[in-house]
Amino acid sequence: GAVVSQHPSWVICKSGTSVKIECRSLDFQATTMFWYRQFPKQSLMLMATSNEGSKATYEQGVEKDKFLINHASLTLSTLTVTSAHPEDSSFYICSASRRAGNTIYFGEGSWLTVV
Amino acid sequence: AQSVTQPDIHITVSEGASLELRCNYSYGATPYLFWYVQSPGQGLQLLLKYFSGDTLVQGIKGFEAEFKRSQSSFNLRKPSVHWSDAAEYFCAARMDSSYKLIFGSGTRLLVRP
Repeated sequence: GAVVSQHPSWVICKSGTSVKIECRSLDFQATTMFWYRQFPKQSLMLMATSNEGSKATYEQGVEKDKFLINHASLTLSTLTVTSAHPEDSSFYICSASRRAGNTIYFGEGSWLTVV
Repeated sequence: AQSVTQPDIHITVSEGASLELRCNYSYGATPYLFWYVQSPGQGLQLLLKYFSGDTLVQGIKGFEAEFKRSQSSFNLRKPSVHWSDAAEYFCAARMDSSYKLIFGSGTRLLVRP
C-alpha cells in the first residue's frame, strides 16, 4: 500500500541552528502535503499546506519565515525549522494524499528536540 | 467555526469491558470523519473512516463507529477492550475539498487489568 515516510525519525539540535525534516510519498505522487505539529500530550495542529511547485499556505499563527516549507517534487516536501529554540521541540508529522481516492496517509513523525 | 470536539480527556476501562469514545463536530455540512490511534511516541494509525452511506462503519482491531447526523457525532466503540488498546485516540474531520484534517483534542484510554 501507499506509504509516506519521514526522515529523520528524531533529531536533536542546538538552539539557534536549523534543522530539516523530509516527507516523502514512496509510491504515489502528492501535489499537496500537510505538516502538523504535536506538543506533548496535545493534539495535532495543522501548520501549513505544502503545494508542489508553489508557495506553502500557512495556518494562522505559524511563522512562515521560521518554518520553511519546500515542495520541489511530487514526492518530497521538506520542513526546515530555522533558528530553532527549545520551544520548537515537538513532534512533527506530515500527511499526503493520492489524487484519486480519499485516503490520507501519515508519515511516522519526527521528534525534534532543541537543546 | 469548524471544529472537532472530544469531550473526554481520559477514559479508564477494565479489560474485557466495552468502550465508547465520543466525538462531535461543528460544520455546516457532513464532513469526512476519521478515527486514529496513536501509541506513545508513535505516529498515527487509521482505525476507520466515514464518507457516506452506511452510518455504522467497521474498522480494524474490532473497532466500529456510528455517524449520527442529528447529533453531529461520530462515536467510536469496541465491545471488548484489550490491554493493547491503551493509547491516545483522535477523532478528525476533513471539512473542505482539501485533504487537511482538523483533529479533536484526543482521548487517552487506560485499560485496567
